[in-house]
Amino acid sequence: GAGVSQSPRYKVAKRGQDVALRCDPISGHVSLFWYQQALGQGPEFLTYFQNEAQLDKSGLPSDRFFAERPEGSVSTLKIQRTQQEDSAVYLCASSLGGSGRLEQYFGPGTRLTVT
Amino acid sequence: KQEVTQIPAALSVPEGENLVLNCSFTDSAIYNLQWFRQDPGKGLTSLLLIQSSQREQTSGRLNASLDKSSGRSTLYIAASQPGDSATYLCAAISGTYKYIFGTGTRLKVLA
Repeated sequence: GAGVSQSPRYKVAKRGQDVALRCDPISGHVSLFWYQQALGQGPEFLTYFQNEAQLDKSGLPSDRFFAERPEGSVSTLKIQRTQQEDSAVYLCASSLGGSGRLEQYFGPGTRLTVT
Repeated sequence: KQEVTQIPAALSVPEGENLVLNCSFTDSAIYNLQWFRQDPGKGLTSLLLIQSSQREQTSGRLNASLDKSSGRSTLYIAASQPGDSATYLCAAISGTYKYIFGTGTRLKVLA
């Protein structure tokens, strides 16, 4: 079956532009996560959704970052007024249950480069 | 606060060698420990998931062990092949749903 998909796979933005990154989780998965992976580092947690509710956004680095999942399926991570330090790979993951302790399945990521 | 460390940061071995990758975590109250592979420019491929009640998992040439009391997990790769070249990441889930990742071990297997 289909896994987690993300689009676009690559995005180049000029400093100051807004970007939107899309995540399509595995069908039926309740939980959805966003992670940020800087070059040479492990992924770091950004935010967590259970259905359409954003239960944890403690990892979002600034108020320029905003995530939504309005219908409990597709999610969008938006970054306003991009800065060079936002350059990273953004990974989306989903899991079946709502407990949060079940295995997470990761998408291929979106590589964002801010010039 | 959970912290995950991976040693070594990079490793280069000749083809056919058996090798061990190490992962240490500071909070022993983990639910799961998972090993991933990441190829350059790609996402994460899950290799093995060890639940807190388990001590090890095996898949093909890969074996992962978990020792919660010492805060350690190891990934053993038998008879390494050039196709095993990648970055290997471990991640711990403890107390919350957040995966806490190490910085990875970059493995290069020489033909």
